[in-house]
Amino acid sequence: SQQGEEDPQALSIQEGENATMNCSYKTSINNLQWYRQNSGRGLVHLILIRSNEREKHSGRLRVTLDTSKKSSSLLITASRAADTASYFCATVAPYNNDMRFGAGTRLTVKP
Amino acid sequence: EPEVTQTPSHQVTQMGQEVILRCVPISNHLYFYWYRQILGQKVEFLVSFYNNEISEKSEIFDDQFSVERPDGSNFTLKIRSTKLEDSAMYFCASSARDRGLADTQYFGPGTRLTVL
Repeated sequence: SQQGEEDPQALSIQEGENATMNCSYKTSINNLQWYRQNSGRGLVHLILIRSNEREKHSGRLRVTLDTSKKSSSLLITASRAADTASYFCATVAPYNNDMRFGAGTRLTVKP
Repeated sequence: EPEVTQTPSHQVTQMGQEVILRCVPISNHLYFYWYRQILGQKVEFLVSFYNNEISEKSEIFDDQFSVERPDGSNFTLKIRSTKLEDSAMYFCASSARDRGLADTQYFGPGTRLTVL
């Protein structure tokens, strides 16, 4: 299927450390997006990377995309307790604009 | 900053009843979407809407579901006869351009639907 699959499923780190989450997918994409969701709340868009891009930065976030490996990673540098949330990748197909979310990585940042 | 709003935040209904979930997308956006997330599971695409008609729908979006833009601001999702398995968080989203053109979708806070 096209949908992204994140790993790890859960990640626990200390404040100040970096957090890396990975997303793999199976078919071609138009773009890939990362979202954050606090427990029981809505989805917040973090960053979008197009299929012809390899890396994007936004503040403490760095996203890479390797279309040859069909994978993406989200790096959060100098993590904070407030970064505790679930992080989802979502892939958008080029042929029907179908957007599919992965199961997410649950990140816990301990103060 | 403009945002997508949804009402109600929580809806409890009896099985077989009709529910209407409401969304107010960002005012200059043209594309509207509904997603759902069953507790502990993935966010799933339901439907996209543009120019007063459905542009795409998933296999989940069967005849029990319908969407409407009754006026210039609201976007609704109706479930005609709710089932227990419809219990989920329903998210509305909007974008200025179609997501296939690599635009950002802005999500509302969600409506938690509980079917008893």
